[in-house]
Amino acid sequence: DAEITQSPRHKITETGRQVTLACHQTWNHNNMFWYRQDLGHGLRLIHYSYGVQDTNKGEVSDGYSVSRSNTEDLPLTLESAASSQTSVYFCASNSNTGELFFGEGSRLTVL
Amino acid sequence: GENVEQHPSTLSVQEGDSAVIKCTYSDSASNYFPWYKQELGKGPQLIIDIRSNVGEKKDQRIAVTLNKTAKHFSLHITETQPEDSAVYFCAASLTQGAQKLVFGQGTRLTINP
Repeated sequence: DAEITQSPRHKITETGRQVTLACHQTWNHNNMFWYRQDLGHGLRLIHYSYGVQDTNKGEVSDGYSVSRSNTEDLPLTLESAASSQTSVYFCASNSNTGELFFGEGSRLTVL
Repeated sequence: GENVEQHPSTLSVQEGDSAVIKCTYSDSASNYFPWYKQELGKGPQLIIDIRSNVGEKKDQRIAVTLNKTAKHFSLHITETQPEDSAVYFCAASLTQGAQKLVFGQGTRLTINP
């Protein structure tokens, strides 16, 4: 079955370190999204991509970057982790006309 | 840009009773309004959606209503069961698919036995 997977599921890091969260989907979807989930804020869009080599900033993009070198993957990089980036991160994907599918989430703690 | 407000943030109902969650949106151009259910430790999953050319949509015990004039839409769950306990998110976008979704803050629904 097609799916979307995130790794790692849990990570603890220190302030200032670079962190990369992986997202891999096997649906061959054009569109991929990264959201962060925080209590009281719901799901907020960090970055998104509509295809290979395409990336766009979302609502809360400061301190994050993404790259899209193939259809299946959209890794999210925190260049210099900050305590404010402690959160649960969700990757999602869809086709141009289809339902948005989410991964299981990656819980990141920045100490 | 679009802004979606969701209420209440928490909701507790007795098993068998109905639950209603309400959302308002700001961009009158939005045309697609999905609802997602998130169980503990999982990613959100689509449970029902509605487009602006429809006022109401039902799927078994769940229904969504849309008032485009007032820019609000609601999720109705009837005959609630323990497995309905979860966090529910509303969202809005210009169209289904490519356009990015803007989510509400979420509602934690607890069904009491």
